[in-house]
Amino acid sequence: KQEVTQIPAALSVPEGENLVLNCSFTDSAIYNLQWFRQDPGKGLTSLLLIQSSQREQTSGRLNASLDKSSGRSTLYIAASQPGDSATYLCAVPYNQGGKLIFGQGTELSVKP
Amino acid sequence: EPEVTQTPSHQVTQMGQEVILRCVPISNHLYFYWYRQILGQKVEFLVSFYNNEISEKSEIFDDQFSVERPDGSNFTLKIRSTKLEDSAMYFCASSLFGQGGGNQPQHFGDGTRLSIL
Repeated sequence: KQEVTQIPAALSVPEGENLVLNCSFTDSAIYNLQWFRQDPGKGLTSLLLIQSSQREQTSGRLNASLDKSSGRSTLYIAASQPGDSATYLCAVPYNQGGKLIFGQGTELSVKP
Repeated sequence: EPEVTQTPSHQVTQMGQEVILRCVPISNHLYFYWYRQILGQKVEFLVSFYNNEISEKSEIFDDQFSVERPDGSNFTLKIRSTKLEDSAMYFCASSLFGQGGGNQPQHFGDGTRLSIL
């Protein structure tokens, strides 16, 4: 059974700092891993999808890495800004049909 | 950029009443999903839908729940007789392909907050 865990549950950093969010999964046989952003009371915005054959995927100040063998992914945010404050979720598809298994999220607060 | 839209944004209903949550997925997408998030808990899968039928459902998705794609654009979730524990944020999502065929991301709507009184 696939389980997804995110550590830490919450993180507070000063503006401008580089930071890393962690995601771990128990079953390494994944198709891909998706990172989302969730603002309070809002939906999920897809940030990055990293395929199982990839080791990294970049979008602007965001860089996601994937190590399937160790069951880990990281989301690196460079030069953080107050607008980055949100909850970040990672998710993996459980099967070909696409059912996503989510972590509990990391709540990020970037202080001006 | 195309997006998934959900209505209403907030629904308040008396326990035992029926509710229908509506979603318009991205137009060329083929796979459709419902998830829910109880306050303070993980996002959890409810059901997936492909080729006009349910392809997978979770244990949560019991006989009180049903989904329908009544026309070429809408995708609905019906809860027949709501319970207090159905209070949650319900998210609709869609993707172009399933995960085995193209690694396409799932795109989510902004959700419907369902409050059962």
